[in-house]
Amino acid sequence: GDSVTQMEGPVTLSEEAFLTINCTYTATGYPSLFWYVQYPGEGLQLLLKATKADDKGSNKGFEATYRKETTSFHLEKGSVQVSDSAVYFCALSERAGTALIFGKGTTLSVSS
Amino acid sequence: GAVVSQHPSRVICKSGTSVKIECRSLDFQATTMFWYRQFPKQSLMLMATSNEGSKATYEQGVEKDKFLINHASLTLSTLTVTSAHPEDSSFYICSARSVHTPYEQYFGPGTRLTVT
Repeated sequence: GDSVTQMEGPVTLSEEAFLTINCTYTATGYPSLFWYVQYPGEGLQLLLKATKADDKGSNKGFEATYRKETTSFHLEKGSVQVSDSAVYFCALSERAGTALIFGKGTTLSVSS
Repeated sequence: GAVVSQHPSRVICKSGTSVKIECRSLDFQATTMFWYRQFPKQSLMLMATSNEGSKATYEQGVEKDKFLINHASLTLSTLTVTSAHPEDSSFYICSARSVHTPYEQYFGPGTRLTVT
């Protein structure tokens, strides 16, 4: 079945460092891809999404590009802030309306 | 934006009792709601999918008689954990999908259940 694999954490960075969190997926069709963020004590929030190959999702300085050839959707940010400390989940949806399949999550800790 | 609420946010109950968790879409109609379970430092595991007015579809390994799901209206779904045991202690999260944005799910803040 479909699955999502993302890099193990935790990831610890200093403020203003460059961030990459790797995410690869396995799917039979052409899924939509998502990054969700979960801040401490809160629910999941959609960070960005891409619905077809070569699409780039972006939000709050974060970016991810849907790469069909490498089945990847890596999350990047050029300069992280302390407020970016959270758990990041990569996810896919086989088609509109279906449940999300999540990766295991990557904890990011940013120190000043 | 689309807001989903859950109630209660935290609940502690004794072993053998039942607990009901509500999930509401506050500003949109949710034709489909999903219930997930999240273990500490782990990912979300889909438990069931519920469509308004019909029976929920449970994932393999999820006991439908233990986790009762009702989706009685376009804005409310409930999850009842029956005869709860300590191993049911977890973080339960619901999400809702609007017919207008089929690719997106809006998540509730979650409910922390502790069974003593």
